[in-house]
Amino acid sequence: AQKVTQAQTEISVVEKEDVTLDCVYETRDTTYYLFWYKQPPSGELVFLIRRNSFDEQNEISGRYSWNFQKSTSSFNFTITASQVVDSAVYFCALIQGGAGSYQLTFGKGTKLSVIP
Amino acid sequence: GAGVSQSPSNKVTEKGKDVELRCDPISGHTALYWYRQRLGQGLEFLIYFQGNSAPDKSGLPSDRFSAERTGESVSTLTIQRTQQEDSAVYLCASSLAAGTQYFGPGTRLLVL
Repeated sequence: AQKVTQAQTEISVVEKEDVTLDCVYETRDTTYYLFWYKQPPSGELVFLIRRNSFDEQNEISGRYSWNFQKSTSSFNFTITASQVVDSAVYFCALIQGGAGSYQLTFGKGTKLSVIP
Repeated sequence: GAGVSQSPSNKVTEKGKDVELRCDPISGHTALYWYRQRLGQGLEFLIYFQGNSAPDKSGLPSDRFSAERTGESVSTLTIQRTQQEDSAVYLCASSLAAGTQYFGPGTRLLVL
């Protein structure tokens, strides 16, 4: 069965610091998809990124970057020059690519607090 | 275009009552999912609909939970004889087949 582990329960940083959120996954499929979602205090889950297992290119989007390493089954998320608006719970999630429903398996989330 | 919408936003009910939660997916999205998020927890998958295929109900926690979807339109999640442990945020998501899932704002259910 698939599993996503986010070992960091809570992180606090001072504004403008860089922060990395860790995500480790387990799956027996060779095809799978990884995601990060942001859940601000309002509660709605906001999609950030999707990565396919056959594409290990790292990605940068503004202050956000993602490091996908199949060798260590990790998909870490870095926020550069953090801002107060980045305060939220961040979820890493996995979809196995085999037949069946494409349900997301979520980690327990990392609560990020950015202190002004 | 409009995102996923859910109603009601909040629902308070008494233990033992039935509740219905509604989800309106993004227009054209063939797949629809229900998840549950209990306080301080991650999200748990409940049920998945894809077009006219039989739904995947493998995540439903008990036979008190059921859901329906007509074609590719709205879905209703019903919880019968609610219990206090059913208190949670119920989130709906939709996607194009195996595409990225986009979530609604959720329904916060409190069972007294």
